[in-house]
Amino acid sequence: TQLLEQSPQFLSIQEGENLTVYCNSSSVFSSLQWYRQEPGEGPVLLVTVVTGGEVKKLKRLTFQFGDARKDSSLHITAAQTGDTGLYLCAGAWSGGSNYKLTFGKGTLLTVNP
Amino acid sequence: SAVISQKPSRDICQRGTSLTIQCQVDSQVTMMFWYRQQPGQSLTLIATANQGSEATYESGFVIDKFPISRPNLTFSTLTVSNMSPEDSSIYLCSVGLAGNEQFFGPGTRLTVL
Repeated sequence: TQLLEQSPQFLSIQEGENLTVYCNSSSVFSSLQWYRQEPGEGPVLLVTVVTGGEVKKLKRLTFQFGDARKDSSLHITAAQTGDTGLYLCAGAWSGGSNYKLTFGKGTLLTVNP
Repeated sequence: SAVISQKPSRDICQRGTSLTIQCQVDSQVTMMFWYRQQPGQSLTLIATANQGSEATYESGFVIDKFPISRPNLTFSTLTVSNMSPEDSSIYLCSVGLAGNEQFFGPGTRLTVL
């Protein structure tokens, strides 16, 4: 069974602070997705990274894929209360089924006003 | 992307009964997935449902407990059979599109008494 280690599990910060969430594995991903989920809703896709070393930006969110495609990070600059939610990374494994995703345990982010 | 709806959005059921959850997509898709999620936690894949074939179940999930139908390319159902309190969870359907990306429905919150 492939594992995705996500850290931290919980994060509570003040509005305006920066934060980074990490997603790591010992295996190589063919692609990795980041999702955000708010209470009572399904996860919403934020980004997909495919190429080692790739960096993608979505407003104040910066996503990085490791050179070896085994890890990824999500950095949020100047967090806002609207960023509160459960952040999930999900990976599709090289050599595995090219459609099935394995999810990390998630990071529950609370941004306080 | 795709727009996905689920019915019911929530239900409270008695142990020993069964509940069928419906998932409707606004476009034709080949891959559909069913997940279970404990509140505030990550997603666990129950099964993959492709139109025209039997669903493929993950380890720990069996067809007798979670029968799935996939009658066409826009619709699927998941039944939770002979429910116990341990089945209380959020059940999510998703569709798989290009690049291993998945799009989720809003979920069905199930409470079993």
